[in-house]
Amino acid sequence: QQQVKQSPQSLIVQKGGISIINCAYENTAFDYFPWYQQFPGKGPALLIAIRPDVSEKKEGRFTISFNKSAKQFSLHIMDSQPGDSATYFCAATLYSSASKIIFGSGTRLSIRP
Amino acid sequence: DAGVIQSPRHEVTEMGQEVTLRCKPISGHNSLFWYRQTMMRGLELLIYFNNNVPIDDSGMPEDRFSAKMPNASFSTLKIQPSEPRDSAVYFCASWSGATNSPLHFGNGTRLTVT
Repeated sequence: QQQVKQSPQSLIVQKGGISIINCAYENTAFDYFPWYQQFPGKGPALLIAIRPDVSEKKEGRFTISFNKSAKQFSLHIMDSQPGDSATYFCAATLYSSASKIIFGSGTRLSIRP
Repeated sequence: DAGVIQSPRHEVTEMGQEVTLRCKPISGHNSLFWYRQTMMRGLELLIYFNNNVPIDDSGMPEDRFSAKMPNASFSTLKIQPSEPRDSAVYFCASWSGATNSPLHFGNGTRLTVT
């Protein structure tokens, strides 16, 4: 029940296309859903996050869609660029605390020029 | 702000040797985490400190692994003796403790045990 399931494991998208990464959870007590982006040789860094009381959050080309009833959330990258090539982790937290964060398994995204 | 600083960036050692990984968290952050990343298992939490005290070490694989935080600005993760299956990237992360504030990760130590 503490897991966050992420798919796909890897994704190849053409430049300018839309990249979509999906995550699902079981524990309805999760109260904050961040996405982390990791470039090769670097540590993960916060990209965007959403609270469960909103259905969508957009920051530039990055959008989180959240479906509370389905217990699913997804990251959409519009107009994907080669510089977006990275590994993306969805996550969920309890008590809005990083000490209670559960990470998904990660998606390796490659954007083809 | 220099961010979370880890050393060394790369470590290659032979099976049976002791390995010590080091971390300097962001100044003012009161929580520190050690993670291990592998292709097979993704990001695994090894141990979490709050105010220099270990709070949750349930992720530490076995007694060969130990972690210390002698003060607010320094932590170590030690593996003794090291084994080839310990090969992974080890990340340190720090957190300010503020609600919904993010984890700040260092750039990791890539450990190879031959």
